[in-house]
Amino acid sequence: GENVEQHPSTLSVQEGDSAVIKCTYSDSASNYFPWYKQELGKGPQLIIDIRSNVGEKKDQRIAVTLNKTAKHFSLHITETQPEDSAVYFCAASERTSYDKVIFGPGTSLSVIP
Amino acid sequence: EPEVTQTPSHQVTQMGQEVILRCVPISNHLYFYWYRQILGQKVEFLVSFYNNEISEKSEIFDDQFSVERPDGSNFTLKIRSTKLEDSAMYFCASSPSAGVETQYFGPGTRLLVL
Repeated sequence: GENVEQHPSTLSVQEGDSAVIKCTYSDSASNYFPWYKQELGKGPQLIIDIRSNVGEKKDQRIAVTLNKTAKHFSLHITETQPEDSAVYFCAASERTSYDKVIFGPGTSLSVIP
Repeated sequence: EPEVTQTPSHQVTQMGQEVILRCVPISNHLYFYWYRQILGQKVEFLVSFYNNEISEKSEIFDDQFSVERPDGSNFTLKIRSTKLEDSAMYFCASSPSAGVETQYFGPGTRLLVL
């Protein structure tokens, strides 16, 4: 089955700087890659996603890139703000399932004011 | 904005006891899911449920687990005889349609088995 790895596990940046989180996946047939933000005491919330027929997608300060050949995808947050501090999970759809998401281990992002 | 709610937020139980975790999905959603997250580890899929039956389950979801939609609003996860390794955060999610793109997660129930 699909396996998703994520780096770094923790990341501290100064407010205003950019943050980059990188993930790899194992199953070349996976075709949907969501990113979730989990704030303290809350469940994961979808913040952006990308499909395998697209190389890049941007939504305001957040962008995702996908390299299908290398099976890498990344989350980029520009002009970070303290409220961006949270745990971020990358994920990939399980190709044998329409409903199952395989999560990465998470990155704890701290934005220092 | 409508949201998924879960009760209780925290539960402590003795090993071997039965626990029921409750979820109220978003009202017009038709697909329901349970995930769990052991402390410091990945969020893991447990089960999906549609049209009053399990659509899919993972290898984690063994005979100790069951799900039910007892009425029109609640969706429950029952662990029949809890083990220490069942200690985790359990997330419910719901979706208006099939597919991972539209899953909305609840805040979770933290279960501690002693």
